[in-house]
Amino acid sequence: NAGVMQNPRHLVRRRGQEARLRCSPMKGHSHVYWYRQLPEEGLKFMVYLQKENIIDESGMPKERFSAEFPKEGPSILRIQQVVRGDSAAYFCASSPYGAGSPLHFGNGTRLTVT
Amino acid sequence: TQLLEQSPQFLSIQEGENLTVYCNSSSVFSSLQWYRQEPGEGPVLLVTVVTGGEVKKLKRLTFQFGDARKDSSLHITAAQPGDTGLYLCAGSYNQGGKLIFGQGTELSVKP
Repeated sequence: NAGVMQNPRHLVRRRGQEARLRCSPMKGHSHVYWYRQLPEEGLKFMVYLQKENIIDESGMPKERFSAEFPKEGPSILRIQQVVRGDSAAYFCASSPYGAGSPLHFGNGTRLTVT
Repeated sequence: TQLLEQSPQFLSIQEGENLTVYCNSSSVFSSLQWYRQEPGEGPVLLVTVVTGGEVKKLKRLTFQFGDARKDSSLHITAAQPGDTGLYLCAGSYNQGGKLIFGQGTELSVKP
């Protein structure tokens, strides 16, 4: 059962470097969501994408953060010039029908900025 | 900003006890979901409720959606150590809207 695949599981970056987080949705799912989670907190919505389109990016910082979901290949969350405050777990989820439908989550990428 | 508030934030109980977790908002949900998350893993869907007053049961877990669709509760009967985890409610406020998560309830069930 190929679920949502995220890689890498752990990523360490120095301040100022770039972080690229990848997410392959479940087969047949064309809707992808990125969430960020800090310790002992819930998930904060960042961005919602459908193939080749950004549907809602209201939770994503305007600077340094970008996301894409190309026609072919995984969805990418890119963080440029990382700072210590970017350290968190980043979760990707996918769904077949989009907004409001149940989400299938990956196991996250834990980003540590040193 | 649309907010989902969960209570309690932390809950530590003995095996065999019952517990209830609450999820509240000032806005009406079009649908609400409950997830459970274990350390190092992503959340896993437990249930979706869409109709005001709806009650769903999943073994020892009972989920209720408020009549006005602004609140929900999760009741666990005779909790077991395997129920330990972070319970998250998540709501969608309108068709086409993103899923907003509460801050979670960290449950610890001691044997």
